[in-house]
Amino acid sequence: KAGVTQTPRYLIKTRGQQVTLSCSPISGHRSVSWYQQTPGQGLQFLFEYFSETQRNKGNFPGRFSGRQFSNSRSEMNVSTLELGDSALYLCASSPGERRPTREQYFGPGTRLTVT
Amino acid sequence: AQKITQTQPGMFVQEKEAVTLDCTYDTSDPSYGLFWYKQPSSGEMIFLIYQGSYDQQNATEGRYSLNFQKARKSANLVISASQLGDSAMYFCAMSASGSARQLTFGSGTQLTVLP
Repeated sequence: KAGVTQTPRYLIKTRGQQVTLSCSPISGHRSVSWYQQTPGQGLQFLFEYFSETQRNKGNFPGRFSGRQFSNSRSEMNVSTLELGDSALYLCASSPGERRPTREQYFGPGTRLTVT
Repeated sequence: AQKITQTQPGMFVQEKEAVTLDCTYDTSDPSYGLFWYKQPSSGEMIFLIYQGSYDQQNATEGRYSLNFQKARKSANLVISASQLGDSAMYFCAMSASGSARQLTFGSGTQLTVLP
């Protein structure tokens, strides 16, 4: 079974621009969660999508948004990029049950650099 | 609100020896899951082990075991017979019944295995 894939792996953008990152979950998984990892703030939850609906959202400004398609692939978008948005963006795939479960697998991440 | 605390920013261990990485947690949810992930310098989060709050026995996965002490709210990771390839950042994380796909991470422990 193929793992979680994220594209692109590396990205350099300029302040003020916008960016779209993509995540394809493990086949059969219906939930995709996004995380931001920075040296200062560590790993922080951005949002979770399940069956094309946002199910949970972390404490991030409205510049961060996402969506999920019918095939469970997800995209996240950051508008009006700031230097502080430079981070490793990770997505996690899971079947989507409501109860806690061990099945949460991460992709390799997209490293975004904002200059 | 959930909280994960990892008090060891860095640890050193001699090759072939065992090492324990500490993790304490705080949650008011009766149902939750505890995870350990390994993050090598490449950035990918690798799932190591999972413990459900209602699991009667401590989880084990090969050389990894989780020392789960529910009353003390601790979930320490034990790595037996350390290998050079175990050098990485290790994160403890938890999810709860209210938002099972939303992981709360600790700040991580950088483990270095010495030859």
